[in-house]
Amino acid sequence: ETGVTQSPTHLIKTRGQQVTLRCSSQSGHNTVSWYQQALGQGPQFIFQYYREEENGRGNFPPRFSGLQFPNYSSELNVNALELDDSALYLCASSSLWTSGGTDTQYFGPGTRLTVL
Amino acid sequence: SQQGEEDPQALSIQEGENATMNCSYKTSINNLQWYRQNSGRGLVHLILIRSNEREKHSGRLRVTLDTSKKSSSLLITASRAADTASYFCAANHGSSNTGKLIFGQGTTLQVKP
Repeated sequence: ETGVTQSPTHLIKTRGQQVTLRCSSQSGHNTVSWYQQALGQGPQFIFQYYREEENGRGNFPPRFSGLQFPNYSSELNVNALELDDSALYLCASSSLWTSGGTDTQYFGPGTRLTVL
Repeated sequence: SQQGEEDPQALSIQEGENATMNCSYKTSINNLQWYRQNSGRGLVHLILIRSNEREKHSGRLRVTLDTSKKSSSLLITASRAADTASYFCAANHGSSNTGKLIFGQGTTLQVKP
């Protein structure tokens, strides 16, 4: 058990809809990262939030957005869903070093999103 | 694009044998992390090795890091059927001020009882 939880576990949406995925970080961690993992691939970095501010973004369009709350829970929002958005979405919590870089990232169990 | 590349893509061994997986990356790193994933579930952290370390052990796991070759290897000794999973290496950029991890494609390990 990593102490990182995600909800929902599974979700089915249709193309064009919007979705919100939620993550609760491990206590004491100041950073939440979100990853997308397509079937048979390694996870791809979407973005990271540090103290409620976006702190780095991968190669994902603006329709992928996020929020981090004072209690270090986080949301990933995806607008105008496309078929290719079908994937496992993982969040990870960690502590960001003040000197840069990160220590171990602890992953949640993921949300499986299917877009029809 | 994926920074890490893993080799082999798939590995099938008998219980009790050792399994070795290799990972290469492209740019300087703060650290490199190895994760296990069972059947499309969440990632389980196995071990983190920092750029100034060359070898690290954790139970039946041994990780080596060669920064001159930009490569790392994960050795699982005396494998068990429960080790069957996908294994990923993930690099934390040296130039990054974030916790961004760049993952390889993974190695699928099957351990036959």
